[in-house]
Amino acid sequence: DAKTTQPTSMDCAEGRAANLPCNHSTISGNEYVYWYRQIHSQGPQYIIHGLKNNETNEMASLIITEDRKSSTLILPHATLRDTAVYYCIVRAMFSGNTPLVFGKGTRLSVIA
Amino acid sequence: DVKVTQSSRYLVKRTGEKVFLECVQDMDHENMFWYRQDPGLGLRLIYFSYDVKMKEKGDIPEGYSVSREKKERFSLILESASTNQTSMYLCASSPPQGTIPYEQYFGPGTRLTVT
Repeated sequence: DAKTTQPTSMDCAEGRAANLPCNHSTISGNEYVYWYRQIHSQGPQYIIHGLKNNETNEMASLIITEDRKSSTLILPHATLRDTAVYYCIVRAMFSGNTPLVFGKGTRLSVIA
Repeated sequence: DVKVTQSSRYLVKRTGEKVFLECVQDMDHENMFWYRQDPGLGLRLIYFSYDVKMKEKGDIPEGYSVSREKKERFSLILESASTNQTSMYLCASSPPQGTIPYEQYFGPGTRLTVT
């Protein structure tokens, strides 16, 4: 699976959009981009995934560049409960039963 | 809703004790995983299992063993607990390969302290 690079930490004002970038310049055609987050003292939680089109669900939006070498997770109106570590993970469509590999992620702090 | 439960949220054990961490999932998932998480080191995979009685070593299996006698249950065993095994332990399960999206569902974690 391709390697990802994320900023170590970011701050965001409550009520504003939080834009979390991820670089995955070596991504291949059959690899999806997944985002998970981990709120303090809980297990990671799936947020969203995408292949090449932009995606939106009730939690967030995922914007993938046309060349697929980077993506941005957008939390449109961040709240204090969105303070968490956000992980960007690239995984091939058929990776067998192998587990997700979590990097260090981005620690997002939402500030009142 | 998928539910992954872990037997304890907090556990304190003495050095040399045998420790069992239990994990149960209720979604009939084939795959189950054990991770540990330490500050600055992120999530590290200890063992995983893709079927009953099957197991695969992860990145840091030393000092641990696992047992999967039933599909819904995956146990992590510390044969002789040591202080460097003080950590947060997270269990997860996932549906079979090829499922999109590939979601791993995590339990709430067990914070183990070995004194």
